[in-house]
Amino acid sequence: GAGVSQSPSNKVTEKGKDVELRCDPISGHTALYWYRQSLGQGLEFLIYFQGNSAPDKSGLPSDRFSAERTGGSVSTLTIQRTQQEDSAVYLCASSILQGSGELFFGEGSRLTVL
Amino acid sequence: SQQGEEDPQALSIQEGENATMNCSYKTSINNLQWYRQNSGRGLVHLILIRSNEREKHSGRLRVTLDTSKKSSSLLITASRAADTASYFCATDAWEAGNMLTFGGGTRLMVKP
Repeated sequence: GAGVSQSPSNKVTEKGKDVELRCDPISGHTALYWYRQSLGQGLEFLIYFQGNSAPDKSGLPSDRFSAERTGGSVSTLTIQRTQQEDSAVYLCASSILQGSGELFFGEGSRLTVL
Repeated sequence: SQQGEEDPQALSIQEGENATMNCSYKTSINNLQWYRQNSGRGLVHLILIRSNEREKHSGRLRVTLDTSKKSSSLLITASRAADTASYFCATDAWEAGNMLTFGGGTRLMVKP
């Protein structure tokens, strides 16, 4: 596709369930980021993938959160045993350049934990 | 933790007026970027300014960077109702592994 694609766009789940959020970056983009945005707030960094380097996981809020990037392309963010405070919009972005490049964002996945 | 902090958090102006938003950051940076976010949507890149640049223009946008004060400003001239959005600054720094970190944003409302 022409842009960053995220799915699902909306996800409602019950507390304690696991969820998977998917991000398809722009083809050829080596850098991929996941951010979390609560209502009316800024972006909270979660994890950063750059090429074949080990990902920077320093922003993951707990061990219930994990992410992988297969084949340097598609990424999946997994949240295990979801809690109500996990409710937020999860944004994925990709860049052709490491760090200083312009980020292209997907439209986000809105997660609601009941 | 957030590297950049925007000021003000919210700004309301009349169409045709200029809007100025400020961003302060804590550590030395390589580049600073400004992004725009319409409600409920993803962010869109507006402009990038490098650490060795002091001012940059793009259409009605003017960005300044003062590395001695660790601050940047975004000026939108002759604002339009369609400029209503949230605006975020983002910085990348060697100390942060060159990854982009975002501030809390300024919510701009332009009244017609």
